Amino acid sequence: EIVLTQSPGTLSLSPGERATLSCRPSQSVSSSYLAWYQQKPGQAPRLLIYGASSRATGIPDRFSGSGSGTDFTLTISRLEPEDFAVYYCQQYGTSPDTFGQGTKLEIK
Amino acid sequence: EVQLVESGGGLVKPGGSLRLSCAASGFTFSAYTMNWVRQAPGKGLEWVSSISSSSSYIYYTDSVKGRFTISRDNAKNSLYLQMNSLRAEDTAVYYCARDYNLEWLSPPGDWGQGTLVTVSS
Repeated sequence: EIVLTQSPGTLSLSPGERATLSCRPSQSVSSSYLAWYQQKPGQAPRLLIYGASSRATGIPDRFSGSGSGTDFTLTISRLEPEDFAVYYCQQYGTSPDTFGQGTKLEIK
Repeated sequence: EVQLVESGGGLVKPGGSLRLSCAASGFTFSAYTMNWVRQAPGKGLEWVSSISSSSSYIYYTDSVKGRFTISRDNAKNSLYLQMNSLRAEDTAVYYCARDYNLEWLSPPGDWGQGTLVTVSS
């Protein structure tokens, strides 16, 4: 199975700053079938990005995804207070679908 | 508005069985691939199983193969997960999730609030 490694494990930033989260698959993800999710405590995950760079419906444009193959990035251009949460990447191009271990974005 | 409501979770002894249900509304259920994804307490997300719109294609993660069975009833807009031979490591919140779109490969896009399954003696 494809193992997704996310870094950093925890990212401490202030509102207004730029956040850069990394996701590195153990092998190439076919056709950029890579998604990003946001999860807040006690809530279900929320799809942010699919196809590596397409925003899901209703997602603000401060969220952007990029990358291909074995190197993907989620960027949040200017952090809002509601953006502090755990972020997961997921590949859905090769069965079994797999998730990264998550990056916790916390307020500095 | 898409709504997914899971039910059927609870406390069960190791080796026991449980059947989860997911009631769907607000979209054409019969058109979408559906998924179960779980999250152990304090841990990350783990995809469990998927079923295509007409039940023609069914997939499981290796750790549940032979123990869990996914199914759906399009007439009742419902998704199910029959879980047998439960183990402590199956303890998790189980989420029902609809594929984001109708593409052949699509990530889960809409999620229920989850139902907690606890396997303990």
